[in-house]
Amino acid sequence: AQTVTQSQPEMSVQEAETVTLSCTYDTSENNYYLFWYKQPPSRQMILVIRQEAYKQQNATENRFSVNFQKAAKSFSLKISDSQLGDTAMYFCAFMRGGGTSYGKLTFGQGTILTVHP
Amino acid sequence: DAGVTQSPTHLIKTRGQQVTLRCSPKSGHDTVSWYQQALGQGPQFIFQYYEEEERQRGNFPDRFSGHQFPNYSSELNVNALLLGDSALYLCASSLESIGYGYTFGSGTRLTVV
Repeated sequence: AQTVTQSQPEMSVQEAETVTLSCTYDTSENNYYLFWYKQPPSRQMILVIRQEAYKQQNATENRFSVNFQKAAKSFSLKISDSQLGDTAMYFCAFMRGGGTSYGKLTFGQGTILTVHP
Repeated sequence: DAGVTQSPTHLIKTRGQQVTLRCSPKSGHDTVSWYQQALGQGPQFIFQYYEEEERQRGNFPDRFSGHQFPNYSSELNVNALLLGDSALYLCASSLESIGYGYTFGSGTRLTVV
């Protein structure tokens, strides 16, 4: 079974600064996807960024980028130029790329990020 | 374009009762998954429906059941409610090629008293 670990229960950052959220995972699979989701107080889970394991290039979406280290099974999220609207719970998630359990997201415990003005 | 719509938004039930939660997927999506999220925790996978059939299931008892209709909407039913069933229930939809990630609804907050 896959496991996802987020070791930082809470993080805080000043507006306009950069913050990095950590995530490690455990799997014996070679084909899989990794995701970062954001959950603000509105409760809706919003996809921030996705990474395909077979792609070596790190994914980037505007101010959000990842550092994907496949051998180390590490998948950190960097948020640049932090904004007040980035305040939310952030979840790292894993999904197998095929076979049984394809389509099942396994989430970490989450990291609460607070952006201060 | 409406995203994933869930109803109701909040619900209070008594132990032993039964509850039905509803989900309308994003337009064009054919796959619906349900997750249970306890307070302060990450979501846990309950099951997934595709082409009106349960494609896979997480570690939840048979008290949790579901259904998908021809228009791809879905229901989650929970029988014999326990206090521990109190949680946020999230519905997520996608196209069958789900490597692109899911679109989530805002959830139904279920409180069992």
